[in-house]
Amino acid sequence: NAGVMQNPRHLVRRRGQEARLRCSPMKGHSHVYWYRQLPEEGLKFMVYLQKENIIDESGMPKERFSAEFPKEGPSILRIQQVVRGDSAAYFCASSQQGRETQYFGPGTRLLVL
Amino acid sequence: KQEVTQIPAALSVPEGENLVLNCSFTDSAIYNLQWFRQDPGKGLTSLLLIQSSQREQTSGRLNASLDKSSGRSTLYIAASQPGDSATYLCAVIAGAGSYQLTFGKGTKLSVIP
Repeated sequence: NAGVMQNPRHLVRRRGQEARLRCSPMKGHSHVYWYRQLPEEGLKFMVYLQKENIIDESGMPKERFSAEFPKEGPSILRIQQVVRGDSAAYFCASSQQGRETQYFGPGTRLLVL
Repeated sequence: KQEVTQIPAALSVPEGENLVLNCSFTDSAIYNLQWFRQDPGKGLTSLLLIQSSQREQTSGRLNASLDKSSGRSTLYIAASQPGDSATYLCAVIAGAGSYQLTFGKGTKLSVIP
């Protein structure tokens, strides 16, 4: 049973470009969470999704960031018009049910030049 | 607002020593608490999950305890090995319908051969 998969593992973007981060949850998991780890900071919650629904986006910046988890395919975290402050590691986690053990992917490390 | 603190920030011990990592949280109304391990440049590996009604959980050489009323958890590692070197993260899910993990900044453990 494959774990949580994220791609790309590393992403370099110039200021103003768009970044798309993908997350495939573990088989049988329909709950997806996105977290961000800024340099020298702890992981911070961004958004929680179930298939086709955003349940909690209280940690998501109000502008430029969006997330989706379509009926088919991976969850996508999209960052428009990236700025240097967006440089961070973005982790996806999944669980079988809400509030159960969250299993994390290897992360996508975004570098904005 | 829930805050999670981990002390010490870094710890270095000789191989074979038993050690304790500490975690404290400000709001005792939690749903569960998880301990994770993070290796450099990698994702998070879930080690133990303690429900709010439980006092401790054990897995191999690891034992995690929870004292919800005082807002504390400890992770005990017996007979430490160099392969245990990593950053250990504590995270809680708050009560009242929350789904997001609130993380501490971690304790970086180095086990010296």
